[in-house]
Amino acid sequence: NAGVMQNPRHLVRRRGQEARLRCSPMKGHSHVYWYRQLPEEGLKFMVYLQKENIIDESGMPKERFSAEFPKEGPSILRIQQVVRGDSAAYFCASSLDFNYGYTFGSGTRLTVV
Amino acid sequence: GQNIDQPTEMTATEGAIVQINCTYQTSGFNGLFWYQQHAGEAPTFLSYNVLDGLEEKGRFSSFLSRSKGYSYLLLKELQMKDSASYLCAVSPPGNTPLVFGKGTRLSVIA
Repeated sequence: NAGVMQNPRHLVRRRGQEARLRCSPMKGHSHVYWYRQLPEEGLKFMVYLQKENIIDESGMPKERFSAEFPKEGPSILRIQQVVRGDSAAYFCASSLDFNYGYTFGSGTRLTVV
Repeated sequence: GQNIDQPTEMTATEGAIVQINCTYQTSGFNGLFWYQQHAGEAPTFLSYNVLDGLEEKGRFSSFLSRSKGYSYLLLKELQMKDSASYLCAVSPPGNTPLVFGKGTRLSVIA
């Protein structure tokens, strides 16, 4: 029973490029959460999705950021026209029930150069 | 909104006991979680408290006082591998995902 799979593990992008981060939740989990973590900072909530629906995107910047969780396939966090300030670790978590038993993926470390 | 406070860093000796405190101010509350995160790795679940009192799980215990907005994580018989960040997270009411504190970085020394 594989855990939450995130890829890529490391991603380097030049300023202005697009970054696509993928997250496959644990089998049977329909709740997906994306968090961002900066060095010496806690996990900051970005977006919460269930299959085909965005439930809460209050933590996600209105511009350049988007997220989806299609009926088939992984959840995608997309960052367009990346800037240096987007450099961070992005963690995805999934759960069977809302807000209980989060299982985190290993994260994607995005570096914008 | 939610405000969660934890000490930034702590140091303790191998074999000792350490208590990591977490205080929170929220407009509502559905439970409190503790996670462990080793450097460069994913956070892993340690404990969940929704009622007042102490929950014990092996070397780790977690306590909650809802009236005081206070929790602590107690680690006994510390081992070097316990060196990690410990994240306190609150479950707000409604459909709001977990809110995390900044974490406490614990260093276990010989």
